[in-house]
Amino acid sequence: GENVEQHPSTLSVQEGDSAVIKCTYSDSASNYFPWYKQELGKGPQLIIDIRSNVGEKKDQRIAVTLNKTAKHFSLHITETQPEDSAVYFCAARGQGAQKLVFGQGTRLTINP
Amino acid sequence: DAGVIQSPRHEVTEMGQEVTLRCKPISGHNSLFWYRQTMMRGLELLIYFNNNVPIDDSGMPEDRFSAKMPNASFSTLKIQPSEPRDSAVYFCASSPMGGRLNQPQHFGDGTRLSIL
Repeated sequence: GENVEQHPSTLSVQEGDSAVIKCTYSDSASNYFPWYKQELGKGPQLIIDIRSNVGEKKDQRIAVTLNKTAKHFSLHITETQPEDSAVYFCAARGQGAQKLVFGQGTRLTINP
Repeated sequence: DAGVIQSPRHEVTEMGQEVTLRCKPISGHNSLFWYRQTMMRGLELLIYFNNNVPIDDSGMPEDRFSAKMPNASFSTLKIQPSEPRDSAVYFCASSPMGGRLNQPQHFGDGTRLSIL
């Protein structure tokens, strides 16, 4: 089955700097890759997703890139702000499947 | 719009007791997912339903766990008898169109379960 690895497990950046979180997946048939943000005491919230027919997607300060050949995808947050501090999860879903397989999460801390 | 609603938000009980977690999916969503989150194992899918029918329960850890979806607006996850290792945060998520065509899953805020 699908296996998703996420790095780093913790990340600390200065406010205003960029943050990058990387994930790799094992199943070449996977075709949907969402990113979730989880704040303390809350459920994961979808922040951006990308499908395998697209190499990059951007939404304001957030972007995701996908390299299907290498089977990895990354989350980029620019101009980071204190409210970006949270745990971020990547996930992958196989073609025709409904199950999401999640990475282990990255705790992002934005230092003022 | 109301999101996925879970109750209770917190549950503390003694081992051996029955625990029932509840979920109301987003109206119109016809797929429902139950997840468990722990530090050691991360987010794990336990079971999911399409149109109230269980499709895949391979993630349910033991026979002590059971889930039902009697109608489109309500699901329960039951643990009987509960054990301390069941302590975790349990999330419910829902998605439209049976979860196919890469529809996103929307999560509730979870139930934090502590078994003493």
